[in-house]
Amino acid sequence: EAGVTQFPSHSVIEKGQTVTLRCDPISGHDNLYWYRRVMGKEIKFLLHFVKESKQDESGMPNNRFLAERTGGTYSTLKVQPAELEDSGVYFCASSQDPPGFGEQFFGPGTRLTVL
Amino acid sequence: GNSVTQMEGPVTLSEEAFLTINCTYTATGYPSLFWYVQYPGEGLQLLLKATKADDKGSNKGFEATYRKETTSFHLEKGSVQVSDSAVYFCALRRGYNKLIFGAGTRLAVHP
Repeated sequence: EAGVTQFPSHSVIEKGQTVTLRCDPISGHDNLYWYRRVMGKEIKFLLHFVKESKQDESGMPNNRFLAERTGGTYSTLKVQPAELEDSGVYFCASSQDPPGFGEQFFGPGTRLTVL
Repeated sequence: GNSVTQMEGPVTLSEEAFLTINCTYTATGYPSLFWYVQYPGEGLQLLLKATKADDKGSNKGFEATYRKETTSFHLEKGSVQVSDSAVYFCALRRGYNKLIFGAGTRLAVHP
């Protein structure tokens, strides 16, 4: 069974440009999470989808970030326009129901560099 | 609020040395506690977990005990190997399943 996959693995863009990150969760996993690690600091929660609905988006830093999960399968995270402080590694994770007990399986991450 | 503090790295050890990576937490109620590991070029993997006080999580020779009295969940291994070189993250979970992580500790094991 395929694990969580993320695309691209690396992205280098200039300040002001737009970038879209993609996450494909494990098949059948209704819960999908986005996290990011900035500057070697702690990994911080961004948001949580249950199927196509946003369950918790309390970690989204500002309105330059837009996450979608159309059809409850893969998810995209768009940053528009990108700023220097957005550089970091963006992780996606998925889990089965019930959400309170399901282990979160993580993808390899997308390393974003904003110049 | 909820938070996790873990010792800064890098930690550099010789093969077969004893490993301790300290982790303390601040949380309301009774969180579940986790250690995740990230090997070079890979995603985060769950290493071990404990869901209530005095539970001991263990896996691949690593152990950690949930200590409520000291709000700690220190990671230990009696004899590390070169293949254990990785970044280790302590984390807790409450509420709607979001994980709260520490900053990570890089471990380098030399032959």
